[in-house]
Amino acid sequence: QKEVEQNSGPLSVPEGAIASLNCTYSDRGSQSFFWYRQYSGKSPELIMFIYSNGDKEDGRFTAQLNKASQYVSLLIRDSQPSDSATYLCAVNNGVTGGGNKLTFGTGTQLKVEL
Amino acid sequence: ETGVTQSPTHLIKTRGQQVTLRCSSQSGHNTVSWYQQALGQGPQFIFQYYREEENGRGNFPPRFSGLQFPNYSSELNVNALELDDSALYLCASSLVAGEAFFGQGTRLTVV
Repeated sequence: QKEVEQNSGPLSVPEGAIASLNCTYSDRGSQSFFWYRQYSGKSPELIMFIYSNGDKEDGRFTAQLNKASQYVSLLIRDSQPSDSATYLCAVNNGVTGGGNKLTFGTGTQLKVEL
Repeated sequence: ETGVTQSPTHLIKTRGQQVTLRCSSQSGHNTVSWYQQALGQGPQFIFQYYREEENGRGNFPPRFSGLQFPNYSSELNVNALELDDSALYLCASSLVAGEAFFGQGTRLTVV
């Protein structure tokens, strides 16, 4: 069983619409959650992180966390063609020394159409 | 730009050879983690270095090893390269329990 699950997509939305990206995780002890954006051939870029249940907003992005349901999502408002990328959900499972060990999903490909 | 730099950006090696990849962490960050990303997959955790010691390791064989230097830069060494080692290798810089920022990656091709 995969530890972090994402729908691989592609998810297609029209320009200006809201894109909703979802992620579920298996480790109930996970404490922090991250969304990265990855353009083709590039490295992942951190766009949001969330630690507490509820919503966290940053510009056009909103991360939502529900630890009881083991579910984290990312909403992108007013989607732009430049948002077309793969979105990676990452869950921090921790390491013995107290550091971060990120477990990633396989990513959801988002396409924003004109 | 994250301030995390990796070298080289691309590399082609022959099966059985050894390779060393390098990473300079972002200013102020004391922890470096290495990830392997195969095509179409999410990054997989290889190991993490903090205070020049390995601070955690993923499910990778011992031929994957690393170092961290006093200036927090790091190396990833892979011995006895296999075809399946072909991937994008990513270095992530952070404070020990903070958000991780990735370098541009090293694309390794094993032929």
